[in-house]
Amino acid sequence: EAQVTQNPRYLITVTGKKLTVTCSQNMNHEYMSWYRQDPGLGLRQIYYSMNVEVTDKGDVPEGYKVSRKEKRNFPLILESPSPNQTSLYFCASSFLGRGPGRDEKLFFGSGTQLSVL
Amino acid sequence: AQKITQTQPGMFVQEKEAVTLDCTYDTSDPSYGLFWYKQPSSGEMIFLIYQGSYDQQNATEGRYSLNFQKARKSANLVISASQLGDSAMYFCAMREGRWTGNQFYFGTGTSLTVIP
Repeated sequence: EAQVTQNPRYLITVTGKKLTVTCSQNMNHEYMSWYRQDPGLGLRQIYYSMNVEVTDKGDVPEGYKVSRKEKRNFPLILESPSPNQTSLYFCASSFLGRGPGRDEKLFFGSGTQLSVL
Repeated sequence: AQKITQTQPGMFVQEKEAVTLDCTYDTSDPSYGLFWYKQPSSGEMIFLIYQGSYDQQNATEGRYSLNFQKARKSANLVISASQLGDSAMYFCAMREGRWTGNQFYFGTGTSLTVIP
């Protein structure tokens, strides 16, 4: 089954304790990205990657790191989490063609609800 | 400037009625795609419908249709014959073309409540 697998689903941590949210896709997608969702703000892009070893900042990259060592994996790292990073996080992936086109729609993981105390 | 604007934070519709969710976009790229996603209370993001900038006809997918007005830069989602299961958050999104970076932009969403 084609899917984006994101773990964990829920995470409660304390300020300053490094954490990693994993993301893996089995569709051989070139494009992967991370979003955070906050009430009234919609989905805001944190980082994205067009291919292996190629990553770029989105709209809200401060406090986050990513890496793309393999095509299928795109982990999100919070080196020193703070309470303002409490949010719902989504990983997403898509095919990159000549597009844009319908085939280039984003596939989403099930989300990670993060609480930083 | 906002790439995607959804001006209706919340909407109510009577069951079996039609409802239109507004979306306007801003881009200078002639090649772009517009997407609508549904997020029910369970949290997952579900793709609903796609409209390409060069598509001549409005997209339709079952009860969903997209009212695409290119000159006005609007891409409103129309849900016909609303059902209770349509109660959810709806996001409009745009993907720009290769020349402007292939990026996805999302609006702030519209919360739709279907009333029995």
